[in-house]
Amino acid sequence: DAGITQSPRHKVTETGTPVTLRCHQTENHRYMYWYRQDPGHGLRLIHYSYGVKDTDKGEVSDGYSVSRSKTEDFLLTLESATSSQTSVYFCAILPGPNTEAFFGQGTRLTVV
Amino acid sequence: AQSVSQHNHHVILSEAASLELGCNYSYGGTVNLFWYVQYPGQHLQLLLKYFSGDPLVKGIKGFEAEFIKSKFSFNLRKPSVQWSDTAEYFCAVTPGSGTYKYIFGTGTRLKVLA
Repeated sequence: DAGITQSPRHKVTETGTPVTLRCHQTENHRYMYWYRQDPGHGLRLIHYSYGVKDTDKGEVSDGYSVSRSKTEDFLLTLESATSSQTSVYFCAILPGPNTEAFFGQGTRLTVV
Repeated sequence: AQSVSQHNHHVILSEAASLELGCNYSYGGTVNLFWYVQYPGQHLQLLLKYFSGDPLVKGIKGFEAEFIKSKFSFNLRKPSVQWSDTAEYFCAVTPGSGTYKYIFGTGTRLKVLA
């Protein structure tokens, strides 16, 4: 167990509403990632962070923003949810160089 | 830009058949390479990883992969699959230094028939 908690685990929201997903880690690792997983597309990187207030865009960042004000939390926000953002969202941490990533249990988000 | 390609999207095998899943990456510098497995309803779990050294790496559950630098490839192999290997398999790459942007391929769904 890499000490990663995602919340909520399931959420249904309406189009146009803001949504924030939280990823919390207990180990104070520097690198954190947000992915979305969709059939036929694998895991696509949305945003990632390499330290407090240090974030960068991934492959599919449009419509998403992130914040990392403290080491243990990495928040993903959908400013105005759309049906195309219905997906399973995974958070991951990378303990350091030459290590593998560890994943949270995922958040299933449905935008209706 | 960094990218990963998995050419086999769906693979169906009978038990005891041999498996090889292709993975090619695009990146000019040193890389760290990974294979993950995802069983239905679960999150990703690491099968094996390559950072440096022997290009043939062995992982859990009898899986192995070979890094061929000249071909930018990291193919996954298993000599004899089992029904319990039915899952989705993902190849991933991250630069060997810097900000460690961790990119995945689109995955390969493996179904093993009993």
